[in-house]
Amino acid sequence: AQSVAQPEDQVNVAEGNPLTVKCTYSVSGNPYLFWYVQYPNRGLQFLLKYITGDNLVKGSYGFEAEFNKSQTSFHLKKPSALVSDSALYFCAVRDIGGGADGLTFGKGTHLIIQP
Amino acid sequence: NAGVTQTPKFRILKIGQSMTLQCTQDMNHNYMYWYRQDPGMGLKLIYYSVGAGITDKGEVPNGYNVSRSTTEDFPLRLELAAPSQTSVYFCASRSSASSYEQYFGPGTRLTVT
Repeated sequence: AQSVAQPEDQVNVAEGNPLTVKCTYSVSGNPYLFWYVQYPNRGLQFLLKYITGDNLVKGSYGFEAEFNKSQTSFHLKKPSALVSDSALYFCAVRDIGGGADGLTFGKGTHLIIQP
Repeated sequence: NAGVTQTPKFRILKIGQSMTLQCTQDMNHNYMYWYRQDPGMGLKLIYYSVGAGITDKGEVPNGYNVSRSTTEDFPLRLELAAPSQTSVYFCASRSSASSYEQYFGPGTRLTVT
């Protein structure tokens, strides 16, 4: 079975500094990886995905993610953080072998950008 | 284009009561999903559907039922509510032609007391 780990419950970054939110995965076969963001009392919003191709994936709101097959990681990054980036971030992997391609999610990482 | 909509936004149930959480999407997506989100946890898949008339269980289906009579609607039924079903419920959909990203509704916050 596939799994996703987000090792940090919370990440604190000063506004204007680069940010990284970590994600590692375990899956048999080629991984399909996703990042979602959740603002308070809202649903999840899709940020970006990796299916195949370039290891650096660009997404919404200036976010990007780097796929590293040897380290089984898919870290979310942004060169310059904004206070409005403060939210809960989820990494997810496509379920293989069942669930009609449902997603397996990590526990989420709270990103706090300090002014 | 409203995307995925869910009603109600909030609900408090007493133990043993029943209710239906509504989910509607206007994107003509074939695939629809129900997840629950518990504090400090990721989302867990309850049920899914690959098209009208076709549903199947996900990771945590016990205590729930679904139906899919139209492409647009995918209601989730709770029978005999229990405190363990206190959670935030999200409906999601995706097109069979897309690269697997799902689009989520705003959620229903359910408390069972």
